[in-house]
Amino acid sequence: SAVISQKPSRDICQRGTSLTIQCQVDSQVTMMFWYRQQPGQSLTLIATANQGSEATYESGFVIDKFPISRPNLTFSTLTVSNMSPEDSSIYLCSVEMGAYEQYFGPGTRLTVT
Amino acid sequence: AQTVTQSQPEMSVQEAETVTLSCTYDTSESNYYLFWYKQPPSRQMILVIRQEAYKQQNATENRFSVNFQKAAKSFSLKISDSQLGDTAMYFCASVQGAQKLVFGQGTRLTINP
Repeated sequence: SAVISQKPSRDICQRGTSLTIQCQVDSQVTMMFWYRQQPGQSLTLIATANQGSEATYESGFVIDKFPISRPNLTFSTLTVSNMSPEDSSIYLCSVEMGAYEQYFGPGTRLTVT
Repeated sequence: AQTVTQSQPEMSVQEAETVTLSCTYDTSESNYYLFWYKQPPSRQMILVIRQEAYKQQNATENRFSVNFQKAAKSFSLKISDSQLGDTAMYFCASVQGAQKLVFGQGTRLTINP
């Protein structure tokens, strides 16, 4: 497994602003993922972030709204841009540790007012 | 496209009882992996158990076991001797090929004292 931390753990932001969420892993990993979990819902994959390449976005998610950086094998950031109340969710990062097992960070609870 | 369905939105049992959570999936692949994740109120996603499709033997982790019925595309989770700390949302998930986890809608399990 891996120890994964996320910052911030929660934030309240105003409409129209942007928030950058950080994800740090205690070991080097190739594949990192970003998910969104809307209130009372399941997890939806936003994008896959591999070090050294552009992030791959899922249908319904675009780079202008959710830019992702992956500068090295232990760190990634997700920015939620030009926020609206509909962006209020929990955002989780995860890492793939082999045999398709994914381990998750503690999540960032975002509220947009 | 792969899909995962959990037909039980909520379940509730008494402490020490055994409970079974249902999950069905759909896939066109012959090789895939199935998982159960637990998300307690702390919102941390915790990997509970994993099953590889090519293995006929059902996976077991302490009080947690699965009933994997490949032909029926069914993957249920059995929790024996349930404890108060088992109270959580439980998500069934599958991954194939492109290593994208697809989650079911979740089952909210409450263990009553």
